[in-house]
Amino acid sequence: DTAVSQTPKYLVTQMGNDKSIKCEQNLGHDTMYWYKQDSKKFLKIMFSYNNKELIINETVPNRFSPKSPDKAHLNLHINSLELGDSAVYFCASSQAPWRGDLSYEQYFGPGTRLTVT
Amino acid sequence: ELKVEQNPLFLSMQEGKNYTIYCNYSTTSDRLYWYRQDPGKSLESLFVLLSNGAVKQEGRLMASLDTKARLSTLHITAAVHDLSATYFCAVDALSGNTPLVFGKGTRLSVIA
Repeated sequence: DTAVSQTPKYLVTQMGNDKSIKCEQNLGHDTMYWYKQDSKKFLKIMFSYNNKELIINETVPNRFSPKSPDKAHLNLHINSLELGDSAVYFCASSQAPWRGDLSYEQYFGPGTRLTVT
Repeated sequence: ELKVEQNPLFLSMQEGKNYTIYCNYSTTSDRLYWYRQDPGKSLESLFVLLSNGAVKQEGRLMASLDTKARLSTLHITAAVHDLSATYFCAVDALSGNTPLVFGKGTRLSVIA
């Protein structure tokens, strides 16, 4: 069974278009994340949701909007795509990041390779 | 603000050799994670280190955590080609809203 799944795996689109990436986890986790990995492999967190509530919103353009219909799903919608948006986008999930003994190891989805032409 | 530095960023090593990847971080934390990423693939969890002095081993890889030195090491013993991948460490910030801060990754290439 796939723990964290994303669709689509590849996305090729033109500048100016609007696109969405979907993510689902079946691990029963409370927290989900979106990361962007650039061509140099640097991994940067974009958003985090805990039980459908936004808890991290790093400095990303307003064109990026996450939506969490329930705690098992976190989608990413991107408006007016630009060349610089080309990257691999990873969804991840974990237990809630409480400050206790609980490890909130993150489990990553397979990634969505976005190419903007 | 927590900063995480890995070194080296690129490592080419011969099969059969030993080497260590270092992960330094700037503020207090006792939770550190190591991930592996194969080319074109996702990140796979390797080790979870949750206390000072923690040591975990899996096959030819061994990870340790020294919270006083703010340092984790990933030691590779007798490298084989299958270990070629990018290795990331990630540190729990323990404060604020960012649960994990990732290093830039170490791209390891094991050659015959």
